[in-house]
Amino acid sequence: KAGVTQTPRYLIKTRGQQVTLSCSPISGHRSVSWYQQTPGQGLQFLFEYFSETQRNKGNFPGRFSGRQFSNSRSEMNVSTLELGDSALYLCASTRGATGELFFGEGSRLTVL
Amino acid sequence: AQTVTQSQPEMSVQEAETVTLSCTYDTSENNYYLFWYKQPPSRQMILVIRQEAYKQQNATENRFSVNFQKAAKSFSLKISDSQLGDTAMYFCAFMINTGNQFYFGTGTSLTVIP
Repeated sequence: KAGVTQTPRYLIKTRGQQVTLSCSPISGHRSVSWYQQTPGQGLQFLFEYFSETQRNKGNFPGRFSGRQFSNSRSEMNVSTLELGDSALYLCASTRGATGELFFGEGSRLTVL
Repeated sequence: AQTVTQSQPEMSVQEAETVTLSCTYDTSENNYYLFWYKQPPSRQMILVIRQEAYKQQNATENRFSVNFQKAAKSFSLKISDSQLGDTAMYFCAFMINTGNQFYFGTGTSLTVIP
């Protein structure tokens, strides 16, 4: 069974640009959530999608957005990139309210 | 507000010894789950152990066990017979039983010394 797949794995952008990250969950998992990981801050919750609907949203500015498609694949977008957006962005999927998140390897974004 | 605090940014332990990682949390919810996740260097984060808040019995998973003190809002992880493969960042987390929103601590970097 394939795990959670995130693309791209690494990317470099400049301030003011935008970026789109993709996440393919484990087959059968309908919930996809996104986290921002930075040193010293741990993992910060961005948002969670279930059946194409955003159910929860963290405390991030509107520059951070996401969506989920009918096949449960999800994308997140960050517009008008800032230096502070440099981070590892992790996607996780879960089958239901089991409490176990299955993480992808992450997309490491560097903003110059 | 929900918060998770891991007060030990870095820890080390000799191979085969026992180490305990601390975690405290704050929530006004009564139904929730607690977790320890492990993130090895340059590898995916994986679940180590989970605890339902309504269960008084502490969860165990092979060499890993927890000490769950609900009243104190404390959830520590004990690793027995530490192995080199246990070297990783460990994150404490909890989830409210109304959705899949997790709250993570800032992590403890554990190094197992041969």
